[in-house]
Formats: sequence, structure tokens, C-alpha cells
Amino acid sequence: NAGVTQTPKFQVLKTGQSMTLQCAQDMNHNSMYWYRQDPGMGLRLIYYSASEGTTDKGEVPNGYNVSRLNKREFSLRLESAAPSQTSVYFCASSDFRGTEAFFGQGTRLTVV
Amino acid sequence: KNEVEQSPQNLTAQEGEFITINCSYSVGISALHWLQQHPGGGIVSLFMLSSGKKKHGRLIATINIQEKHSSLHITASHPRDSAVYICAAGGSQGNLIFGKGTKLSVKP
Repeated sequence: NAGVTQTPKFQVLKTGQSMTLQCAQDMNHNSMYWYRQDPGMGLRLIYYSASEGTTDKGEVPNGYNVSRLNKREFSLRLESAAPSQTSVYFCASSDFRGTEAFFGQGTRLTVV
Repeated sequence: KNEVEQSPQNLTAQEGEFITINCSYSVGISALHWLQQHPGGGIVSLFMLSSGKKKHGRLIATINIQEKHSSLHITASHPRDSAVYICAAGGSQGNLIFGKGTKLSVKP
């Protein structure tokens, strides 16, 4: 009964390094999302995928790319990490609109 | 102005007290979500509602669509209820627009 699995849980990067955050869900959901959470702010949408093969920008997409590899997996890539990308990242999935959202455990990323 | 506003930002209560957290939104929604985030960071969905009222144990969520307002109530609060409670408006694409959260601390 895994739900949404996100890896890694923690990561420290140097400025300019790249990395990919992985997310997988086993609930056969159509929609998947990447959010970031910063102190004093609500979670903000980076990118989402309404269905396999489609992705769309959210509120804060700059500096990120995503891939919806298949229905289960939705990855977030930082090509050249910057200190402003220090944040906690959450992956989520839902069965399109109006249904319950399920969240991964989060990735705490620090860029130095 | 934020699209989803929560109040209060911080709330301290004594064990056993009745707690209310409020949420107002200015966007059209498909559903209103209440989420709980414990220290350690995991986010759990408590309620999803589009009308009326839902109850789960000591938690009650209500929504008034005309007034664009929702409330989360906790009856007989307990220290284990200490967490951040987040209101989120469900958008047209299924994405969520989040409030900044209410940090609740329940003292024994």
C-alpha cells in the first residue's frame, strides 16, 4: 500500500549541479503534480501532468523540467541548481479534479 | 491578495478545547481540501468537500459555497492534534492552490 513514493528524502547540491527527483504512484491516477514548500509560503505548483504524455507549467516552473515517463512516474529535474531552489519538494497525485490528493513524503533539497 | 487565505496563522490551545480554523478563497473551485502536515513534513488529506459538512472522528469540515468560506473544527483537542493544517482550493486541472497553513499547538 505504497501510495506516492518520492526519492530521495534529502539532498545537498552545489550550485550548478543537476539532479532528478523521482516520483511514482501505484493508485492508477491520471494526474500528478510537483509542488515546492518554502517557509512562510503555501505550497506552490511547479509543474503538473493531467495525463500520461502531457505536462504543463504551474506557478513557479523556471529552472525546472519534468517528464511523465508513464502513468506511474513523474520526475522533476533541476538542470543547474541555484540556492533559490533550496526548498522542500512534494509530489502528489489525484484522479483528476475533484478527487482526493495523495502526497509523497517530500524531498528536502539544499543548494549551497 | 492571496487566492486562499487562512486564519489564524498560529493557534495555541489547551487540551480539550474546541478549535476552529477558517479558510476563505477567491477562486472557483471543484473541491476544497483540508490537509494535515506533521513535524517531519508528511502531508495527509483530511477532507475533500464541495458542499455541506463532513465529519471524521473529532474533526468536522464545513463549506459555504456562496460565501467562499470553509471551516475546520476539532472537538476535544489533544496534543497529538498539534500540526499544521492547510486549506487548499481544487483548481480546474485538479491542481491545488494552497493557503499558508495554520500551525496548531495543543498543550496538555
